Amino acid sequence: DTAVSQTPKYLVTQMGNDKSIKCEQNLGHDTMYWYKQDSKKFLKIMFSYNNKELIINETVPNRFSPKSPDKAHLNLHINSLELGDSAVYFCASSQSDRGTSGANVLTFGAGSRLTVL
Amino acid sequence: AQSVTQPDIHITVSEGASLELRCNYSYGATPYLFWYVQSPGQGLQLLLKYFSGDTLVQGIKGFEAEFKRSQSSFNLRKPSVHWSDAAEYFCAVTRSGGYQKVTFGTGTKLQVIP
Repeated sequence: DTAVSQTPKYLVTQMGNDKSIKCEQNLGHDTMYWYKQDSKKFLKIMFSYNNKELIINETVPNRFSPKSPDKAHLNLHINSLELGDSAVYFCASSQSDRGTSGANVLTFGAGSRLTVL
Repeated sequence: AQSVTQPDIHITVSEGASLELRCNYSYGATPYLFWYVQSPGQGLQLLLKYFSGDTLVQGIKGFEAEFKRSQSSFNLRKPSVHWSDAAEYFCAVTRSGGYQKVTFGTGTKLQVIP
């Protein structure tokens, strides 16, 4: 199936630990994103990569480090986890705007629910 | 900076009734506008989008939305709601050109009662 897939779907860990979430898309898109959805369902963009190049880097603690080994993969590593990091993290992809009607349409993964105890 | 306001946090409608979810955006130029739906435990799925042209756009699952520039609105409508439409609905805005950030509203939770 063509999709955006994230692993793991659920992650429960202790404060202070380091964890990673992986994302892969097989849609042939050139842009990938990480969004954070808090307990009130508010979605906030964290990072965006276009062809492995970081293009959006919102105000996110530097404990969060994204990495894109190629344009089909975008991983998120989080160091020294804090209680406030508990959220659902969504990966998304899109094809960058080249004047086409498909521009900026995001395809989302199913999310990774991170719980920090 | 672009922003999106969804004034209704929670809406309850009866099955078979009509639905309108409100969305107001703030953006200086012509926006690209979207509605996404999120079912419990799922990611977001695109319902419809507006880039240009006809201001009334049709989407999946029988939804439509109308872009009204004078009111800075992009309200989502459905003539007859089904129980399976119960979900969280998000309006979003971005702009054309390059690598643009998509900004989401805070969402409206739709409850459908029999």
